[in-house]
Amino acid sequence: TQLLEQSPQFLSIQEGENLTVYCNSSSVFSSLQWYRQEPGEGPVLLVTVVTGGEVKKLKRLTFQFGDARKDSSLHITAAQPGDTGLYLCAGVRTGNQFYFGTGTSLTVIP
Amino acid sequence: KAGVTQTPRYLIKTRGQQVTLSCSPISGHRSVSWYQQTPGQGLQFLFEYFSETQRNKGNFPGRFSGRQFSNSRSEMNVSTLELGDSALYLCASSLVASSTYNEQFFGPGTRLTVL
Repeated sequence: TQLLEQSPQFLSIQEGENLTVYCNSSSVFSSLQWYRQEPGEGPVLLVTVVTGGEVKKLKRLTFQFGDARKDSSLHITAAQPGDTGLYLCAGVRTGNQFYFGTGTSLTVIP
Repeated sequence: KAGVTQTPRYLIKTRGQQVTLSCSPISGHRSVSWYQQTPGQGLQFLFEYFSETQRNKGNFPGRFSGRQFSNSRSEMNVSTLELGDSALYLCASSLVASSTYNEQFFGPGTRLTVL
């Protein structure tokens, strides 16, 4: 049983479209991270959100941490082919424990 | 600053053999974690080492073991390989500062294929 569930599992969209990926849990985390992973490589950290209700923007990417610190969302505006990859959320608990979500595979078609 | 390095990048073994994977963390990082990634199960935590001690352990059989050296480099060993052990094995290092803002930096992984 995964502690963090992501939806959708797969997403294929046209360049220029907007999308939102969700990361949900019934557990509380001290922080939540989002990673992007490309084939054959390790995940690369995109952002860490710490405070409930926190919103962080990274160019066309907007990350939000739920008020109760149990869930998060990633919104991409005007997706580009370079955004293609596997997006992973990870909840962090005290004691340096990381729990990864099930992953969302995004394909942006030119 | 050099990133996390893992060796080898690719490995092919047969059932019953054992394998050792190596990970060198970012300089100054004292925590090293290992993960197994498969298409069906996603990214699953194996164990974490800090200052040569195993601090956290995931739900994997005893065939999976690891260790960390005084220079923070880590090795992971899998004995009596099974077909289901085929996966991408990822190593991640982090500075252990505040637990609310720990950031993990991943290596490129070792792709293990068991035939």
